[in-house]
Amino acid sequence: EAGVTQSPTHLIKTRGQQVTLRCSPISGHTSVYWYQQALGLGLQFLLWYDEGEERNRGNFPPRFSGRQFPNYSSELNVNALELEDSALYLCASSRGTGRAEAFFGQGTRLTVV
Amino acid sequence: AQTVTQSQPEMSVQEAETVTLSCTYDTSESDYYLFWYKQPPSRQMILVIRQEAYKQQNATENRFSVNFQKAAKSFSLKISDSQLGDAAMYFCAYLNRDDKIIFGKGTRLHILP
Repeated sequence: EAGVTQSPTHLIKTRGQQVTLRCSPISGHTSVYWYQQALGLGLQFLLWYDEGEERNRGNFPPRFSGRQFPNYSSELNVNALELEDSALYLCASSRGTGRAEAFFGQGTRLTVV
Repeated sequence: AQTVTQSQPEMSVQEAETVTLSCTYDTSESDYYLFWYKQPPSRQMILVIRQEAYKQQNATENRFSVNFQKAAKSFSLKISDSQLGDAAMYFCAYLNRDDKIIFGKGTRLHILP
């Protein structure tokens, strides 16, 4: 069974640009979570999608947005990139509401120059 | 809001010895889940162990066990017979009633040969 897959693995963008990160959950999982792991700041919760709807979002500005598609894959969009957006972006999936643990992808390393 | 605190940014242990990683959390909920995740240099987050708050018995997975003290809101991870492959960043995590996982900032564990 394939795990959570994220693309691309690495990305370099310039300040002010826009970026889209992609995540495919484990088959059968309906929930997708996005986390930002910036150096020295641990894991910060960004967004949670379940059954195509945004269920919760973390304390991030509106230029961080996303969506979940009918096949439960998800995109994270970041507009007007800033230098401090440089981080590892991790996607995780779970079976959905029901207190299930999350399984993570390997992340996308975004560098903003 | 719930918070998770890992007070040890880095720890070292001799191979084959035992090490305990600390985690405390703050919550007003009575029903929740706690996890320890491992993130090796490959960046892949791996679930190590989980604990349901309603269970008094401490979870155990092979060489990994937890000391769950609900009243003290403490959830430490003990690694017995440490191996070189245990070297990683370890994250303590709390799953709240909104199914959002909240992570601590992590403890980097070094295994000394």
